Amino acid sequence: DQQVKQNSPSLSVQEGRISILNCDYTNSMFDYFLWYKKYPAEGPTFLISISSIKDKNEDGRFTVFLNKSAKHLSLHIVPSQPGDSAVYFCAASEGGSNYKLTFGKGTLLTVNP
Amino acid sequence: KAGVTQTPRYLIKTRGQQVTLSCSPISGHRSVSWYQQTPGQGLQFLFEYFSETQRNKGNFPGRFSGRQFSNSRSEMNVSTLELGDSALYLCASSLSPSGTSTDTQYFGPGTRLTVL
Repeated sequence: DQQVKQNSPSLSVQEGRISILNCDYTNSMFDYFLWYKKYPAEGPTFLISISSIKDKNEDGRFTVFLNKSAKHLSLHIVPSQPGDSAVYFCAASEGGSNYKLTFGKGTLLTVNP
Repeated sequence: KAGVTQTPRYLIKTRGQQVTLSCSPISGHRSVSWYQQTPGQGLQFLFEYFSETQRNKGNFPGRFSGRQFSNSRSEMNVSTLELGDSALYLCASSLSPSGTSTDTQYFGPGTRLTVL
């Protein structure tokens, strides 16, 4: 049973527009959520995180929103740039940001110039 | 500061063999976690080591084992390889052990294992 789901395998947006990546989870014990970005032939790179006590966290062009009642989080990238093209993984943890992360299967974001 | 390094980057083995993968964490990091990435299952947690002790383990058979040395370097071993073990094995390091709320895991580039 997949506890973290990214239902969109791929997303394509125009440069300068907003990219919205979605993630749903089923385990109500998750208390920390993270987004990682992955380029081919590289390991995932940490992007942004949010604790379950918050509903929004912002870092430059990246904002993560958490809706605990809906068990849903989203990553907004504004404005999107071609260099943002990568696979984005949503991850969740029951014991803090570095505790055996449970990952979604990823969403391939393509930003077209 | 150098990142997480993993060796070898690519490996080809046959069924029934065993394999050992190595991970060197970022200098100063004492926690090392291992993950398996496959197309069907995505990224799955294998185990975590801190100060040479296994702290957490995922849902993998006993053929998967690991250890950590006093310099925080870690090795992962898979015995009696099966075709389904073909995957990208990722290592991640962090400063502190699991359970701290603000630390971050930094991933290495992974070892691509192919079992024939």
